[in-house]
Amino acid sequence: DIQMTQSPSSLPASIGDRVSITCRASQGIITFLAWFQQKPGRAPKSLIYAASTLQSGVPSRFSGSGSGTDFTLTISSLQPEDLGTYYCQQYYTYPYTFGQGTKLEIK
Amino acid sequence: EVQLIQSGAEVKKPGASVKISCEVAGYTFSGDYMHWVRQAPGKGLEWMGLVDPENGETTYAEKFQGRVTMTADTSTDTAYMELINLRSEDTAVYYCAPGLELQNWGQGTLVTVSS
Repeated sequence: DIQMTQSPSSLPASIGDRVSITCRASQGIITFLAWFQQKPGRAPKSLIYAASTLQSGVPSRFSGSGSGTDFTLTISSLQPEDLGTYYCQQYYTYPYTFGQGTKLEIK
Repeated sequence: EVQLIQSGAEVKKPGASVKISCEVAGYTFSGDYMHWVRQAPGKGLEWMGLVDPENGETTYAEKFQGRVTMTADTSTDTAYMELINLRSEDTAVYYCAPGLELQNWGQGTLVTVSS
């Protein structure tokens, strides 16, 4: 199975900050990488697919980059509604696998 | 608008089975694989497997082989996930999500396994 490792696990940040979350795959996945946002008690919400393509309706302050094994999710200016837990996920091969999550919190 | 409506919460005893439904609307049901993902309390996301509604073919994560059955009924646009021989570690919220990139998700179904 492909292991997905996110860092950091927890990210305290202030409103307006530029924040980045990294995701590393244990083997190359080209750009078969998605990012999800999850708020407590809610289903995950798809933000980005194909490593860098924004889902419809997702604010442009979110961006994704990377290919192969190393990927990054960036929020250019953190807003209060961005707080939650973020997961990366590879869909290059079965079984699909997720990172362990990064909890984005107010500093 | 894509809609995925899952069945309600379940409470089961160890050793029992649970079958969760996921009724879809707003897209061609047979045109996308249906994935199932679960999340234990306070934990991360875990992919369980998928079913192809067009032909019923399935792919399961090795961890669930022999305990899980995923099916799809194209006459009602509904997918099902059955998990047998439940244990306490199966307590989780179970989600359905169609398509390659899991763009849309059901609201989740909480399954509690407790004696």
